[in-house]
Amino acid sequence: EPEVTQTPSHQVTQMGQEVILRCVPISNHLYFYWYRQILGQKVEFLVSFYNNEISEKSEIFDDQFSVERPDGSNFTLKIRSTKLEDSAMYFCASNFGPGELFFGEGSRLTVL
Amino acid sequence: AQSVAQPEDQVNVAEGNPLTVKCTYSVSGNPYLFWYVQYPNRGLQFLLKYITGDNLVKGSYGFEAEFNKSQTSFHLKKPSALVSDSALYFCAVRPNSGNTPLVFGKGTRLSVIA
Repeated sequence: EPEVTQTPSHQVTQMGQEVILRCVPISNHLYFYWYRQILGQKVEFLVSFYNNEISEKSEIFDDQFSVERPDGSNFTLKIRSTKLEDSAMYFCASNFGPGELFFGEGSRLTVL
Repeated sequence: AQSVAQPEDQVNVAEGNPLTVKCTYSVSGNPYLFWYVQYPNRGLQFLLKYITGDNLVKGSYGFEAEFNKSQTSFHLKKPSALVSDSALYFCAVRPNSGNTPLVFGKGTRLSVIA
C-alpha cells in the first residue's frame, strides 16, 4: 500500500541552525501539507501546497519557514533559524482532493 | 473559521464495554468530518470519515461514528473496546467546498483497562 515517507525520523540541532525536513508524498497525490504536534498534543496546521505554490498557511508559518517541491517526488520543509519552541513532531501529509489526508510517521525535531 | 472541540482529555473504559469519544464541530456550510488515531511515537492513522449520505459511518477496527447535524457532533463509538484500542484519538473537520486544510481537535486519550 502506498505511503507517505518522511526523513529524518529524528533530528537534533542547535538553536539558530537551519533544518530541512523531507517528505515523499504518495505518488498520484496533488495536495501536500505540513502539520506539527508539540509533545503529543494538538495537531496544528502549518502550510498546504498545490500546483507548485503555497495555497494556505497558518500564523505559525512565518518567514523562518519555507516549503519546496524541488523535483517530482520530494516535498521539503525548511526552518531557516531554529528556535527552542520549534521543537516538535512534524508531519507531512498528502491527498488527491477532498477527503482524508494520508500522514507520514513524522520527523521529531529537537532544538537545543 | 472551522473548529473542533473534544471535551474529554481522557476516557477510561473497561475491556469489552462500549466506548464513546466525543467531538463537536463548527464550520461554515456543510462539513467533512474525520477521525484519526495515533499510537505512541507514530503518525496519524485514518479511521473513518463523513462526507455525505448515511449519518452512521463505519470505519477501521470496528469503529463507527454518527454525524448529527442538529447537534453539530460526530462522536466516535465502538461496541466492545479492546486493550489495543488504547491510543490518542483526533477528530478533524473541514468545509465541503474547496480544499481548506483539516483542523484538528486537541485529542482524547483513550485507555482501555483489562
